[in-house]
Amino acid sequence: DAKTTQPNSMESNEEEPVHLPCNHSTISGTDYIHWYRQLPSQGPEYVIHGLTSNVNNRMASLAIAEDRKSSTLILHRATLRDAAVYYCILRDYNNDMRFGAGTRLTVKP
Amino acid sequence: EPEVTQTPSHQVTQMGQEVILRCVPISNHLYFYWYRQILGQKVEFLVSFYNNEISEKSEIFDDQFSVERPDGSNFTLKIRSTKLEDSAMYFCASSEGARSQAGYTFGSGTRLTVV
Repeated sequence: DAKTTQPNSMESNEEEPVHLPCNHSTISGTDYIHWYRQLPSQGPEYVIHGLTSNVNNRMASLAIAEDRKSSTLILHRATLRDAAVYYCILRDYNNDMRFGAGTRLTVKP
Repeated sequence: EPEVTQTPSHQVTQMGQEVILRCVPISNHLYFYWYRQILGQKVEFLVSFYNNEISEKSEIFDDQFSVERPDGSNFTLKIRSTKLEDSAMYFCASSEGARSQAGYTFGSGTRLTVV
């Protein structure tokens, strides 16, 4: 499986944007980039996914580098409820979702 | 919004006993999954299930584990003879489509404690 590298932890202030980076230098052409998050004491939650173009949804935006070797999950305005572990996962059509250690996001009031 | 429902939320069992964890996936989803998360560790893939058979399983999913879709709505994980190290949160998930890139919807989990 292609690997991703994320910082162990990040901090942000409430109501400010947050940029969560992910490096995936060995990404293949068929790998989609998925982001999930896990709030305390809950199951993982789908956030967003993309292949080549930047993506926006009601939760977040995903910015994908032109060479696809890195991506950034953008929370436009962090709230206390966004404190969670965020997982960047590569997935092609032949494998199931596998989670790494993720980035623990702390949001300060 | 449709949900994946898991029962019970917490199960305590004695070592060596059999447990069945239950899940009701989203009704129009076709792929079903079990994951586990030992306290303080990452979420680990156990098994995926499609068309009434296992699609993929991890090395964790050994002979003591089995999955079943006994009717049109439930999806179960059975652990035949529980060990202390089986204590973990177990998450069920479902997704639509065959190997699509659609997101997985996870349940809130069952906390299994083996004593």
